[in-house]
Amino acid sequence: GQQLNQSPQSMFIQEGEDVSMNCTSSSIFNTWLWYKQEPGEGPVLLIALYKAGELTSNGRLTAQFGITRKDSFLNISASIPSDVGIYFCAGQLRSGGSNYKLTFGKGTLLTVNP
Amino acid sequence: DGGITQSPKYLFRKEGQNVTLSCEQNLNHDAMYWYRQDPGQGLRLIYYSQIVNDFQKGDIAEGYSVSREKKESFPLTVTSAQKNPTAFYLCASSSTGNIQYFGAGTRLSVL
Repeated sequence: GQQLNQSPQSMFIQEGEDVSMNCTSSSIFNTWLWYKQEPGEGPVLLIALYKAGELTSNGRLTAQFGITRKDSFLNISASIPSDVGIYFCAGQLRSGGSNYKLTFGKGTLLTVNP
Repeated sequence: DGGITQSPKYLFRKEGQNVTLSCEQNLNHDAMYWYRQDPGQGLRLIYYSQIVNDFQKGDIAEGYSVSREKKESFPLTVTSAQKNPTAFYLCASSSTGNIQYFGAGTRLSVL
C-alpha cells in the first residue's frame, strides 16, 4: 500500500520559534491534509490542499502541496504553548470506488517550551 | 451542535468479551469511517461505509465488525477474535469524497 514518511518524529522548541515539518510519499496524491491532535482528542483539520504547487495559510500556519504531488510541508510561525500536539499529514487519491481513503503519516509530536 | 459523537470515552474489555463502540453524526454525511490509533503510529483504517447498508474492510479489519443501518450511526464491535484490542479508536465522517472530520475518540483497554 501507499506509504507516507513524516518527519521529524518529534520537535522540542522554544516559544516564538518557527517550526517546519514535512511528508513525502512513494506515490502521488491529489489532496493533502494537515491535522492536529491534542492528547485524548480526535484530530482537527488545519489545512486542506487540492492542487499541486498550492500554498495555503491559516493564521500562523502555512502549508504547501508539492509540485511532484508526492510531498507536502507545514510551517508554523512564532510558536506558542498551545501549539503543542501531534501534527499529522494525510494524503488522498481520488480514484474509483475507494476514493475516500486517506493515508496518514505517523505524526510529528511538537513540544513548545514557554 | 453539529458534529460527531463517540461513546463511551473509556471502555474496558474482559477476556473473550465483545464490546461495541458507538459513533453518531448529525452532519448529514454519507460516508463514515473507523480508525485505530496506537502510540507513535498514524491512523489505520478498520472499516468504512459510503452509504447506508454497505461497508468495506479497511487495512486492519480482522477481529472487528460494523453495521450501517442508519445514515447517522456506524457502530464498531471489537470481537474476542481481536487479540490486541488496546488502542484509541477514532470515528470520522465526510460528505462524498470530501474532507473527513473526526470524533473525540474512545480509549479501549483490556482488563
